[in-house]
Amino acid sequence: GENVEQHPSTLSVQEGDSAVIKCTYSDSASNYFPWYKQELGKGPQLIIDIRSNVGEKKDQRIAVTLNKTAKHFSLHITETQPEDSAVYFCAASPSGGQNFVFGPGTRLSVLP
Amino acid sequence: DARVTQTPRHKVTEMGQEVTMRCQPILGHNTVFWYRQTMMQGLELLAYFRNRAPLDDSGMPKDRFSAEMPDATLATLKIQPSEPRDSAVYFCASGLWPFFGPGTRLTVL
Repeated sequence: GENVEQHPSTLSVQEGDSAVIKCTYSDSASNYFPWYKQELGKGPQLIIDIRSNVGEKKDQRIAVTLNKTAKHFSLHITETQPEDSAVYFCAASPSGGQNFVFGPGTRLSVLP
Repeated sequence: DARVTQTPRHKVTEMGQEVTMRCQPILGHNTVFWYRQTMMQGLELLAYFRNRAPLDDSGMPKDRFSAEMPDATLATLKIQPSEPRDSAVYFCASGLWPFFGPGTRLTVL
């Protein structure tokens, strides 16, 4: 089955700096990679996703890159703000939304 | 504003009691997931349904857990009997690229 690893487990950055979270996956059949943000007391919320036919996707201050050959993908947040502080999860899944496997999460703290 | 709703939001119960958690998926979503979140195990998939039929419940302890979709607007997750190790946050999610509900925080004493 699929196994998703995520690093780092915790990350602290100064407001305005960039943050990068990296994930690796094991199943070459996985072709959909969403990222979720979970704030305290809430459920995870989808923030960006990427499919295996795309190498990079950007949405304002958030970008995701995918290297299919190496089986890793990364989340990049630029110009971080205190409201970016949360736990971020990566996930991998075959197309169709079945069998999502989540990484263990990264707790991001943006220091004012 | 379409969203997944879950009830109750918090539940404290004693070991051996039955617990039922309910979820209303987003209207029109025909895929529904149940996840459990703990500090040790992270987010674990317990079961998921498509068009109300269970497709995979291999992540669920069969002897005490059961999941059903009585109709398209209601999914239930039942634990009987509950044990302290079941203490966790249980999330329902719907849609092919899941939208998560707010979760039910379960504490079993």
